[in-house]
Amino acid sequence: DTGVSQDPRHKITKRGQNVTFRCDPISEHNRLYWYRQTLGQGPEFLTYFQNEAQLEKSRLLSDRFSAERPKGSFSTLEIQRTEQGDSAMYLCASSSGRGTAEQYFGPGTRLTVT
Amino acid sequence: AQRVTQPEKLLSVFKGAPVELKCNYSYSGSPELFWYVQYSRQRLQLLLRHISRESIKGFTADLNKGETSFHLKKPFAQEEDSAMYYCALMAGGYQKVTFGTGTKLQVIP
Repeated sequence: DTGVSQDPRHKITKRGQNVTFRCDPISEHNRLYWYRQTLGQGPEFLTYFQNEAQLEKSRLLSDRFSAERPKGSFSTLEIQRTEQGDSAMYLCASSSGRGTAEQYFGPGTRLTVT
Repeated sequence: AQRVTQPEKLLSVFKGAPVELKCNYSYSGSPELFWYVQYSRQRLQLLLRHISRESIKGFTADLNKGETSFHLKKPFAQEEDSAMYYCALMAGGYQKVTFGTGTKLQVIP
């Protein structure tokens, strides 16, 4: 499968714990996006990378959230001191750098904070 | 600020009936509009975009700047069209996408 992959697919954690998610984009894509989706809502933009540079962050991304893309390939999203309100589906997408390129989505990581 | 509104959470139609999924947006500039679809147990995928002016799986959408709308239409619904549909807007230099809350289309056999 050459699509966007995310790991893990499901994560259950206790409040206060740290969690880290990984996203592997389509190999030739230099743009990578993170979104969060809660029940009954559409995906909400969190952050965007072009290669290894994080170019935009949403106000939704509090200081407990950090994202990296160290070599311009895979990306990680870390949430520190998780709260119940962090429970959501975390989606990753990637696109090529050509114009308004289509974003290809991964299957998502479902986080449940108990 | 950009905003996308999909007023219907659920739309049920009979097979063979016409479908119209509504989408309105607010943005001060010239956005690009998209429809994404998510079939059961599949990932979110692009259905169509306004700049392509194409028909995908029989669906079309016309951007109406006067009414700030981008409604999705299909003349004859099929059972395999049952899915979650999201209208989305892209604006700004970094291609940030703003999604609506989605409409679940249910096609009744």
